Amino acid sequence: EIQLVESGGGLVKPGGSLRLSCVVSGLPFSISSMSWARQVPGRGLEWVSSISSSTISKRYRDSVKGRFTISRDNARNSLYLQMSSLTVEDTAIYYCGREIRSSGRWEIDYWGQGTLVTVSS
Amino acid sequence: QSVLTQPPSVSGTPGQRVTISCSGSSSNIGSNTVNWYQKFPGTAPKLLFYTNDKRPPGVPDRFSGSKSGTSASLAISGLQSEDEADYYCAAWDDSLNAGVFGGGTKLTVL
Repeated sequence: EIQLVESGGGLVKPGGSLRLSCVVSGLPFSISSMSWARQVPGRGLEWVSSISSSTISKRYRDSVKGRFTISRDNARNSLYLQMSSLTVEDTAIYYCGREIRSSGRWEIDYWGQGTLVTVSS
Repeated sequence: QSVLTQPPSVSGTPGQRVTISCSGSSSNIGSNTVNWYQKFPGTAPKLLFYTNDKRPPGVPDRFSGSKSGTSASLAISGLQSEDEADYYCAAWDDSLNAGVFGGGTKLTVL
């Protein structure tokens, strides 16, 4: 069974930091590109960041560049998102997902259930 | 405002056929493949189509996807009450070097 389980969400004050984790099972994690996406409550989905299997390639949406850092530990089948200088606009449900990306193709084919991050004073 | 444009809502009665449009540009849909997701409140998104028109296993053939130029469409025929959900299109954007989603379309089955 394929499972992606996020953790680490919670309530944090503006300017604070949080580290999200995602443990993956049932997929060949070490050769999979991975992504984080989010959904602001009542709004649509947003891609946040992606990392290649080898960690050579890391990409971020403009609004989180310089504040968020994506990483992975292939030995632990785990994906991470270190978030700092958080603002209320970062309040969302954060999902991890396995990404397929090659030659014009991009999709997230497996998703976790999400973890809620609330930034509020 | 989303890079890909979808209608906020569509509706239909059971058995009808509905379509959801997704409009983009040359840097996303025009040069890359489109995928579609189905999302129910409180649950994870589910991949409905990849590479424009490919259905993952388990997706009913009542659902179909297509792409032409800088636009894409999702069609649902034989509409059922369980199809009531939010639907999102997505693609990679070469100019932004980022994944982009549509704003989502809420399908209501009347």
